Amino acid sequence: AQSVAQPEDQVNVAEGNPLTVKCTYSVSGNPYLFWYVQYPNRGLQFLLKYITGDNLVKGSYGFEAEFNKSQTSFHLKKPSALVSDSALYFCAVRDPGGGNKLTFGTGTQLKVEL
Amino acid sequence: SQTIHQWPATLVQPVGSPLSLECTVEGTSNPNLYWYRQAAGRGLQLLFYSVGIGQISSEVPQNLSASRPQDRQFILSSKKLLLSDSGFYLCAWSPRSGLNEQFFGPGTRLTVL
Repeated sequence: AQSVAQPEDQVNVAEGNPLTVKCTYSVSGNPYLFWYVQYPNRGLQFLLKYITGDNLVKGSYGFEAEFNKSQTSFHLKKPSALVSDSALYFCAVRDPGGGNKLTFGTGTQLKVEL
Repeated sequence: SQTIHQWPATLVQPVGSPLSLECTVEGTSNPNLYWYRQAAGRGLQLLFYSVGIGQISSEVPQNLSASRPQDRQFILSSKKLLLSDSGFYLCAWSPRSGLNEQFFGPGTRLTVL
């Protein structure tokens, strides 16, 4: 069965510094990977996805993610963090079975401080 | 453009009472629909998904049921709520075909007392 691991419960960075939120995956077949962000008491917002092609994927709000097949990783990055980026971030992998289902990681709380 | 609605936004219910949460999608046809529960502000658990009217797949055994009476309407129900049913319930949709992301609704906060 497919799975996603987000090894850090929380990541703290200073505003203006680069940020990385880690994600590793396990899936049979081609990996289709997604990042979402969730603000308190809100639904999840889609940030970006990797389907095929370039290993560096650019998404919303200045975020990007780097797909690394050999390390089975899909880390989320941003060159310069903002306080408003503070939120809960989820990595997800598409289920190879039917229904376009996603398996989510447990989430990483990002805190950006002044 | 497509939008997804959920209501109510918040709900406080006594143990043993029934539940009905509704989700509707606008601006698309034949979507896949999903119900998730998020406990303690963390991981998402897929409860049900549907690929068409009347077609419901249950991912985990539980006290809840789902129905899809219309193409863009997805309902989550319970006959008798348990304390453990408390949580944040999220509905999502995705296009039927292709390698697409899911789009989430605003969620319903359910507290069972």
